[in-house]
Amino acid sequence: AQSVTQPDIHITVSEGASLELRCNYSYGATPYLFWYVQSPGQGLQLLLKYFSGDTLVQGIKGFEAEFKRSQSSFNLRKPSVHWSDAAEYFCAVVPTGGFKTIFGAGTRLFVKA
Amino acid sequence: NAGVMQNPRHLVRRRGQEARLRCSPMKGHSHVYWYRQLPEEGLKFMVYLQKENIIDESGMPKERFSAEFPKEGPSILRIQQVVRGDSAAYFCASSPGGSKSYNEQFFGPGTRLTVL
Repeated sequence: AQSVTQPDIHITVSEGASLELRCNYSYGATPYLFWYVQSPGQGLQLLLKYFSGDTLVQGIKGFEAEFKRSQSSFNLRKPSVHWSDAAEYFCAVVPTGGFKTIFGAGTRLFVKA
Repeated sequence: NAGVMQNPRHLVRRRGQEARLRCSPMKGHSHVYWYRQLPEEGLKFMVYLQKENIIDESGMPKERFSAEFPKEGPSILRIQQVVRGDSAAYFCASSPGGSKSYNEQFFGPGTRLTVL
């Protein structure tokens, strides 16, 4: 079945430390890939997206993600986390030629001082 | 260019009442999608509409839920006879259509429905 997996329900990192949030998908062909961030009670903000081309994608707020076809992964990274990054992060895919955005269950990020 | 607009942002209903959620897509967008986010979960697709047409409603509950996107005016998600399990955040997204940008959906701020 087609799915998006975010294996970590929550992650805690110290401010200034590096961050990696994992995302794996299971689709026959490479879908379009997205990362969104959601603060409590707020809407979704698009961090970055991958459609094709360079597999390392730069996004807003210092985030980047790397698409690895062999691992069916699209992990999100940030070299130095700020307290304001505490939020819920959703990986999402849209199958090529499709229209439904399929979301992972999310990873909640906690940042400690 | 204003983004996707949703109103109301918060809606409280008692069990058995009707809830109407409105979504105005971005200017120039003719495709609208509705998603539901239950507490502590990710978003789930509900329905995809183009002007005056429902393209895919495979994610809509079979009863009490309906959606429309008229020629003029916003898209409406309607929930009749609400129950506590309908409490969720409902997000609308829009896209302009076309091949490359077809899958790029822009999300609204959501409507948070609370059923008492």
